[in-house]
Amino acid sequence: TQLLEQSPQFLSIQEGENLTVYCNSSSVFSSLQWYRQEPGEGPVLLVTVVTGGEVKKLKRLTFQFGDARKDSSLHITAAQPGDTGLYLCAGDTGKLIFGQGTELSVKP
Amino acid sequence: DTGVSQNPRHKITKRGQNVTFRCDPISEHNRLYWYRQTLGQGPEFLTYFQNEAQLEKSRLLSDRFSAERPKGSFSTLEIQRTEQGDSAMYLCASSGRGGSSYNEQFFGPGTRLTVL
Repeated sequence: TQLLEQSPQFLSIQEGENLTVYCNSSSVFSSLQWYRQEPGEGPVLLVTVVTGGEVKKLKRLTFQFGDARKDSSLHITAAQPGDTGLYLCAGDTGKLIFGQGTELSVKP
Repeated sequence: DTGVSQNPRHKITKRGQNVTFRCDPISEHNRLYWYRQTLGQGPEFLTYFQNEAQLEKSRLLSDRFSAERPKGSFSTLEIQRTEQGDSAMYLCASSGRGGSSYNEQFFGPGTRLTVL
């Protein structure tokens, strides 16, 4: 069974702080996708990483794919209250295998 | 720009009733997926269509669940004899032609099912 372990599960920080979310697996994925989900809505795609060691930036968000394509991280610089939400990583095996999610709360 | 749409957004039903959900994917996408998400968890794969062919079904999809995509466009997910454990958010996603060469999936807003 392929699993994605995401950590931390909950994160509550003050505006302006930095944070990192981790996504780890023993399986290799052809690509890995990061989503953000708000309550009562579907996940919204943030980025797809494909190549081992790849780094992608989306404004204050930096995504990295591990060299072996088994793990990934999401780093947010100077978090803002608008970053609050559920962050999900998903490995592509033809279908998506999701982590449990990281519930982020950024307080003003 | 029309994304993935799902109807209804919310459904409350009594145990034992049948329910049907509809998903309209992004028009040029040939792949359509159904997922289920319970509170505090990530979505779990249920089933997948390429055009009108159902190519994979999860073991989570019991005999009470059936999905169709008759003309390779919209899809329906039916749950027969609903149970309280079926209460969840049912998400639809699409991917394929017209999008990235990778399997980037775009999700609809979901249907929240509550079984009383």
